[in-house]
Amino acid sequence: DSGVTQTPKHLITATGQRVTLRCSPRSGDLSVYWYQQSLDQGLQFLIQYYNGEERAKGNILERFSAQQFPDLHSELNLSSLELGDSALYFCASSPGTSFMVAKNIQYFGAGTRLSVL
Amino acid sequence: GQQLNQSPQSMFIQEGEDVSMNCTSSSIFNTWLWYKQDPGEGPVLLIALYKAGELTSNGRLTAQFGITRKDSFLNISASIPSDVGIYFCAGQLGAGGTSYGKLTFGQGTILTVHP
Repeated sequence: DSGVTQTPKHLITATGQRVTLRCSPRSGDLSVYWYQQSLDQGLQFLIQYYNGEERAKGNILERFSAQQFPDLHSELNLSSLELGDSALYFCASSPGTSFMVAKNIQYFGAGTRLSVL
Repeated sequence: GQQLNQSPQSMFIQEGEDVSMNCTSSSIFNTWLWYKQDPGEGPVLLIALYKAGELTSNGRLTAQFGITRKDSFLNISASIPSDVGIYFCAGQLGAGGTSYGKLTFGQGTILTVHP
């Protein structure tokens, strides 16, 4: 158990709908990362938050947004869903309080499998 | 987006054999990591490498950080059935709360071990 909790584990929805994926980081971790894993694109970085603030953006579509709340949990919102958004979405967390890489390993949750029908 | 070139894409081996996989990049990274993913789970860190030229072991796993900082390899010795899974390399520029902490992943190596 990595200590990172993601809910729900599975999500089935229809095109055009909006969903919210939730992530609770490991206790004490301030940094949260979201990744998308699909068959054709592999594991891709979407967005990073640090202590409530957006820190870095990757290949995240404009239809997608995220936020990190004061209690440090994070939500990834996916709207106007398309068939191609079907994928595994992972959240990872790291302490974020040190610039030493060795003290900032990212631990991954079990993911949310999104199926858009 | 940028991805690392990981090879081979898949391997079918007999139990007890050694395995080798590698990763190359067109740009440098300051950290190389190797993760393993089992079905229905998220990636789990196996080995982290922090210095160019570093060779690190974790049980039957050995990984090296290339001198040019553009490549890394992972060896698994005396494979066992529970080694089955997908192995990913990942490169990282920075850490922590900086904007350089994101991981760039290879496409993965699917390992099958026949008893």
